[in-house]
Parts: sequence; C-alpha cells; structure tokens
Amino acid sequence: GDSVTQMEGPVTLSEEAFLTINCTYTATGYPSLFWYVQYPGEGLQLLLKATKADDKGSNKGFEATYRKETTSFHLEKGSVQVSDSAVYFCALDDYKLSFGAGTTVTVRA
Amino acid sequence: EAGVTQFPSHSVIEKGQTVTLRCDPISGHDNLYWYRRVMGKEIKFLLHFVKESKQDESGMPNNRFLAERTGGTYSTLKVQPAELEDSGVYFCASSSTTGRDTEAFFGQGTRLTVV
Repeated sequence: GDSVTQMEGPVTLSEEAFLTINCTYTATGYPSLFWYVQYPGEGLQLLLKATKADDKGSNKGFEATYRKETTSFHLEKGSVQVSDSAVYFCALDDYKLSFGAGTTVTVRA
Repeated sequence: EAGVTQFPSHSVIEKGQTVTLRCDPISGHDNLYWYRRVMGKEIKFLLHFVKESKQDESGMPNNRFLAERTGGTYSTLKVQPAELEDSGVYFCASSSTTGRDTEAFFGQGTRLTVV
C-alpha cells in the first residue's frame, strides 16, 4: 500500500538556521504530495502541495519539490523563525491521505 | 466561515468506558474523514463519509469503533468499550470534493486518553 517515511525528530534549530526535513514515499500510482503543519494548540494546516513530478510547492518561505526519480518530497526553509516551531507532516493523496510520523521542529531565539 | 470543529478537545476515560467524539465539518462539505495519531506515530486514516454514506471504512481498527453521520452533517465516532491502545489524537477533516488535488481542512483534534 501507499506509505510515507519522513525524518524523525525532534529537530532543534536556532533562528535563521536552514531547515530540511526529508520525506520519501511509496505509491502504486501518481499521488499528489503535501506538507501539513500543526502549530501548538492548533489543527493541521496545509502548508504546501505538489501534484505532479517536478512541481515545486511553496508557502511561507518553505519549499518542496516532487521528485519522482527519487520518490522524495523534502521540505526546506532557508531561514527559520521561532514562529516556525511546529510538527510537520509529509503526506500523499491517492484519494485518501497517507501521512508520515511527523517531525517536531523547535526553533530557539 | 467556521472551520472544522471537534468536541471535546480532551477526554480522559477509564478502560471499558464509552466515549463519543463529535466533528462538525465546514458547512457544505459533503466529504468527511476521520484520522487518528497514536503514540506520536503517523496519522492513520480511519474512514471517509460522502454525505451520510460510508465511502471507505478500511481504516477502522475493529468493531469497537462506530462512526455515524446522520443527515450528512456532523459526525460522531464512538469507542465502546475503550481500550488502552485507543489513546491518541483523533482528527476530523472535511472537503468539498474528492480527488487527488482536493484540500482537506482539519479540525484541532480530540486527544483521547484511556487509563
């Protein structure tokens, strides 16, 4: 079945550091790929998505590129802020969402 | 416009008791989903309603879990009797359409602790 594997955390960074969270997937079809974020005390929010190979999703300074050849969708941000502290989930959608285990990111001032 | 709302936000019950979780989707969204995150692991799909019909319940773990969506509006997820391994965060999501590009909107989740 479809599955997502993402980098385990927790990850602790200083402000303005570079963030990357690795995500790889296994799917029989051609799913859409997503990154969801859960800020403290809030629900899951869609951060960005890509629907086909080589698409780049971007939002709030975060980027991820759909790499079919490596079955990856790594999340990156060049300069993180304290407000980026959250749990990040990689997910694929082949008519229902399959999530990774989540990566907890803490950014310290 | 109100988002997806879940009640309660937290619930602590004893093993063997019954708990009912409620989800109010975004108004007009025909599709409603339940997911669960156990012990900090991946979020897993439980089931999918289209209006009041169960479209896919392949993720329901066993017959102690019963989901309903009367009238195609809000949904309830009942766990009876609850076991320790049912502890986790239960998320509800809704969407206006289905398909690979559809954005699902999630609630804040209900944190269930079975002691």
